[in-house]
Amino acid sequence: DGGITQSPKYLFRKEGQNVTLSCEQNLNHDAMYWYRQDPGQGLRLIYYSQIVNDFQKGDIAEGYSVSREKKESFPLTVTSAQKNPTAFYLCASSVGQGREQYFGPGTRLTVT
Amino acid sequence: RKEVEQDPGPFNVPEGATVAFNCTYSNSASQSFFWYRQDCRKEPKLLMSVYSSGNEDGRFTAQLNRASQYISLLIRDSKLSDSATYLCVVKGDSNYQLIWGAGTKLIIKP
Repeated sequence: DGGITQSPKYLFRKEGQNVTLSCEQNLNHDAMYWYRQDPGQGLRLIYYSQIVNDFQKGDIAEGYSVSREKKESFPLTVTSAQKNPTAFYLCASSVGQGREQYFGPGTRLTVT
Repeated sequence: RKEVEQDPGPFNVPEGATVAFNCTYSNSASQSFFWYRQDCRKEPKLLMSVYSSGNEDGRFTAQLNRASQYISLLIRDSKLSDSATYLCVVKGDSNYQLIWGAGTKLIIKP
C-alpha cells in the first residue's frame, strides 16, 4: 500500500537535546513538507522540498533543519535552538506544485 | 487579517441535519482550494478539492465564491462519524505552499 510513514508516534526529550523525526513516502511524490500544529492553530510550514538535494525554508524554519538525500525520505531535526519545540509534527507529500497534500500520521514531540 | 479564516465553532448539530460552514481567504489570486478533515489527534485527510464550478461528493458539496473570496462546505444528512475538525486550505503565492485555516469543529449529536 502506498503512503507516508512517520516515526516515532510519540517522542519525549529533555531540553537542550537535538531530535530527528523520520518521514518516508512510497507514493513517488516529488514534493515533501514538514508542518507543526499547535492547539487552536492552523498548520504552519517549517520546510519543504521540491526535489532531491534541494529544500526551502517555510514560515517557521528557525531552530529546525532538514535533508533530502533520497526522494522517499525527508527527515526533520529539531535542534536545541528551537525555543518552543513541543508540538504535533506532520510530514506531507504532493505530486506537484499547488496540488493536494497527503499526510503521515504525525509525531507528537514533548520537550521538558 | 488572516490569510485564511474559519469560524472555530464548535457547531453542535443533530444527526441527520444539514450543516454548512464558510471559509474566507485574503489573496484574490488564489487558484487552488481544498477541504480537509482532521479527527482528534490525527493527521488531516483530504475531503475534497474545490473547483470553480463547485463539486459534490455524496453528502458533501463544496462551492467557491471568487467575488466574495470564500469557499463553503455543505454536509447533508449528517452522521455521527462526520464529527471532526474541517480545515480550509488555499494555495498561497509560492507554487508549493498551501495556507491552512485553523479549522471549524463539528460535533454531530445523536
